[in-house]
This record gives sequence, C-alpha cells and structure tokens, in this order.
Amino acid sequence: DAMVIQNPRYQVTQFGKPVTLSCSQTLNHNVMYWYQQKSSQAPKLLFHYYDKDFNNEADTPDNFQSRRPNTSFCFLDIRSPGLGDAAMYLCATSTEGAEEQYFGPGTRLTVT
Amino acid sequence: SQQGEEDPQALSIQEGENATMNCSYKTSINNLQWYRQNSGRGLVHLILIRSNEREKHSGRLRVTLDTSKKSSSLLITASRAADTASYFCATDAGNNNDMRFGAGTRLTVKP
Repeated sequence: DAMVIQNPRYQVTQFGKPVTLSCSQTLNHNVMYWYQQKSSQAPKLLFHYYDKDFNNEADTPDNFQSRRPNTSFCFLDIRSPGLGDAAMYLCATSTEGAEEQYFGPGTRLTVT
Repeated sequence: SQQGEEDPQALSIQEGENATMNCSYKTSINNLQWYRQNSGRGLVHLILIRSNEREKHSGRLRVTLDTSKKSSSLLITASRAADTASYFCATDAGNNNDMRFGAGTRLTVKP
C-alpha cells in the first residue's frame, strides 16, 4: 500500500546531541512537510518542500534543518536538541500545496 | 502561527449522540479541511471543503462552511466509541503550499 513511513517511531537523544528523523513516501507526492506537535497542541508546521524548493516557516528555529535528497525521502535534522524540542514530529505529503495531506505515524522524540 | 480555532476544546458525549465541533479562522481561504488524530498517532484526513462550497457529506460526517463568518462546523452523527479522538480543522495560509491547524477538539464518546 502507498504510504508515508517514519523512522524511528520513538527516538531518545541527549541534550545537545544531534539527531535525525526520517520520512519516506511511496505516494510520489510533490510536497513533503514536517510538523512539530507538542502534547495537546496543534501540529505546527516547521517547513516544507515543494519538489526541491525548500520553504522555511519564519518562526522555525535555526536548530531545525531539513534535507530532501530525492522525491521519496525527507529528513529532519535537529542540530542541538533542547528539552523544549521533545515532541511528536509528523511528516506529511500532498500532491499539491494545501490539498489533502497524508500523514505518517510520527516520531516521538524524547530529550534527556 | 495558528489560523483556525476550534471549539469546544473538549467534548464528551454518549454513544449514539451527535457531536458538533466548530472552527473559526481569520483570513481568506481556498479550502478548509478536517482531520482526525487518535492518541499518539498521525493525522487522518476526513474531508475537504472548498471556499465555494457550503456543505459536504461523507458517511456520518457533515461539514459546513460559512465564509462570511469565517467558520466551519463538523457534525458526526450517531457517534461510536471508536470516534473518540482529537479533531482538527486546517486552512490554507493563502500561499497554496501549506496549511495551518487549529488547536483541536478532543472528543470522547462513552459506550
């Protein structure tokens, strides 16, 4: 089945230790998104790629970076995780901007 | 930044009852979407309504959109315990590439 896959589902990292979360899709969608969701809050868009064009949200900290080496894969790099970065990170895709988004199951990040 | 605001924040009903959730937004939109999220999982798309549509149905779901009031409602009829989840509205931010999610309504359906 076509889907959005996120690995790992649970990630524990130490304060200040770089961590990479990955997302892959078999849907061949043009757009890939990364969201941060803290407990009982709305998903907050960090950035998205439209094909290879990177679009950063104005309030996304510099600590968060992303790479999209090809259509199928997108990575979220957190250079120096702080305790406040502990959250669920959701990857999503869509065919075009602002249309139905398909979400992965999320990666829950714990920072110790 | 958030675009949509849902109310109520939490809703608890008995199985078989209808559940209504509301969403208000601030700026012009091209479409509004509703998503569902089970605890600790990703979001699942429920329904999309375009700015030139007023009402849309999908199974037990009914969505309305009032662009003059910048508001939408999601009605779940004949609720089931399995409908227990958080429900989010999302609107495009006008640049056609991303969506803004509201804070969500946490629905509990008691068996």
